[in-house]
Amino acid sequence: GAVVSQHPSRVICKSGTSVKIECRSLDFQATTMFWYRQFPKQSLMLMATSNEGSKATYEQGVEKDKFLINHASLTLSTLTVTSAHPEDSSFYICSASVTENTEAFFGQGTRLTVV
Amino acid sequence: GQNIDQPTEMTATEGAIVQINCTYQTSGFNGLFWYQQHAGEAPTFLSYNVLDGLEEKGRFSSFLSRSKGYSYLLLKELQMKDSASYLCAVLDSNYQLIWGAGTKLIIKP
Repeated sequence: GAVVSQHPSRVICKSGTSVKIECRSLDFQATTMFWYRQFPKQSLMLMATSNEGSKATYEQGVEKDKFLINHASLTLSTLTVTSAHPEDSSFYICSASVTENTEAFFGQGTRLTVV
Repeated sequence: GQNIDQPTEMTATEGAIVQINCTYQTSGFNGLFWYQQHAGEAPTFLSYNVLDGLEEKGRFSSFLSRSKGYSYLLLKELQMKDSASYLCAVLDSNYQLIWGAGTKLIIKP
């Protein structure tokens, strides 16, 4: 199957700093990439959908100025958590698909801990 | 509203068969996915159904009935490594994935 690489897998940062998470599709071109977060023992929650070359579409309640998403190429999307706070500590997962209605392949996830 | 229902937890015995059900009510339907997620890891894709019927892939099979808003994931010859959460997700008319809360499957020797 297609491979999506997400980096870093774990990151610990100080409160107030920014963290960038990368999501790369290694062997296919991803028109659409999705960013999710998952709190312990809860389901995945979609944060935003990004299409290459256009602005991301954020879900209700997700602050676009805090969670900056860039999808500059067909193989790379980044999520930057700005001015991170302890409540931003979570598991962040990206997924990528060739088109909107094809299966999505997931990255390995990034466990963010803000101290 | 949109809703995906699946059992919270199931227990089965190694070597046996287990069926995990999923019912959905969504605004439109463009396919249903099953994912497997081990604790602390990202989900991995298992199956995608968009037409009614049974799709078999090795030990795993997935069934869909669009008229009933119903799907199931069937796991045969259970192995200990199959202990995981199984997530049902529906692609709605806006091509958004609507996720179920997941079914935690516990395999006992």
